[in-house]
Amino acid sequence: GAGVSQSPSNKVTEKGKDVELRCDPISGHTALYWYRQSLGQGLEFLIYFQGNSAPDKSGLPSDRFSAERTGGSVSTLTIQRTQQEDSAVYLCASSPSTGRYGYTFGSGTRLTVV
Amino acid sequence: QQPVQSPQAVILREGEDAVINCSSSKALYSVHWYRQKHGEAPVFLMILLKGGEQKGHDKISASFNEKKQQSSLYLTASQLSYSGTYFCGTEYTSGTYKYIFGTGTRLKVLA
Repeated sequence: GAGVSQSPSNKVTEKGKDVELRCDPISGHTALYWYRQSLGQGLEFLIYFQGNSAPDKSGLPSDRFSAERTGGSVSTLTIQRTQQEDSAVYLCASSPSTGRYGYTFGSGTRLTVV
Repeated sequence: QQPVQSPQAVILREGEDAVINCSSSKALYSVHWYRQKHGEAPVFLMILLKGGEQKGHDKISASFNEKKQQSSLYLTASQLSYSGTYFCGTEYTSGTYKYIFGTGTRLKVLA
């Protein structure tokens, strides 16, 4: 696609429910990142995918968070048993390779846990 | 491990200049700069790949000092459209490849 596409753009969920956030990167981009941004805060690294290599999961805040990337393209971030502190904007970014070209961000998913 | 940006926030009048610094505790391969407007995703501005390299477009430029593990973003003759939060993105290895954003600098340009 022309840009990085994320869905849904907004998600309101009840505490304790599971949610899935989707990221469709730019076609051909091998590198894909997930970040979390709380209101007025910086970009918190969550997970990094590069081609067929094992993902870097070192930023995931707890075992309730997981992500996968199928076929080196679409990625899904799953949050199980959501908590109120999970409320944030979840941003996905992709790049042709490892950072040398800058990253293109999607518009994000605003998650609100009530 | 997160690069520290300074200042945290700055308010300018249109036409004034500003410098935003990004300082890392890691040896960096490259530094990127992004601008994020309120309610929008960050937008890539430029990348600096070599020590001492300076890049820029329009009235926004940047430098990268590898030895000091620092980068600076220079905004000259600021315009209202420059308002937003600026982030540096740093590329390094720590056993594995890492790409970490700085703490951010909020810039507000007033008419």
